[in-house]
Amino acid sequence: DAGITQSPRHKVTETGTPVTLRCHQTENHRYMYWYRQDPGHGLRLIHYSYGVKDTDKGEVSDGYSVSRSKTEDFLLTLESATSSQTSVYFCAISEAAVTEAFFGQGTRLTVV
Amino acid sequence: DQQVKQNSPSLSVQEGRISILNCDYTNSMFDYFLWYKKYPAEGPTFLISISSIKDKNEDGRFTVFLNKSAKHLSLHIVPSQPGDSAVYFCAASTSGTYKYIFGTGTRLKVLA
Repeated sequence: DAGITQSPRHKVTETGTPVTLRCHQTENHRYMYWYRQDPGHGLRLIHYSYGVKDTDKGEVSDGYSVSRSKTEDFLLTLESATSSQTSVYFCAISEAAVTEAFFGQGTRLTVV
Repeated sequence: DQQVKQNSPSLSVQEGRISILNCDYTNSMFDYFLWYKKYPAEGPTFLISISSIKDKNEDGRFTVFLNKSAKHLSLHIVPSQPGDSAVYFCAASTSGTYKYIFGTGTRLKVLA
């Protein structure tokens, strides 16, 4: 299995609070991604990174920001959590632009 | 606009028979396609991929077929096993864009 660790695995937070999810990889892969999974929507791309300090928006980036200061870490921040951001969040990594991506175990976030 | 569509939310198949999962896409720029399997409470795991220069790729019990003119791909599982029961996602990517777009998933249930 690819070395991807997401933390925390579960979190409950209140509306309006900032939340940061962390993705850590030990594979030295260049590309990292944040997805959210919701019923009826499948996996939707939030943000992705193609190198240290190089990030771009995905399909559903509103209300989210990311940072990548080191190859191994990709942080996802919900600036002010809302109930619509209750979801399961997955981090993924890939070695090259058009190869398979490997996913972490997911973080279940509940915003109350 | 959903660029990758899996129109069947669920599928049930008898053990030993063939499972066929379908996926349609709208973006003609997609040139790399992947299938992932996901068990509950786990991250998606990569199954098989196909480049747009091919129309078939086979790996053991899994075969992916690509029909570029119809913008359609399918995953065949033969023979189906109870352990194949999971949600299957198709995904697509375009060279140079660094990102994967996923479908909404099909839940496969293989009946013993």
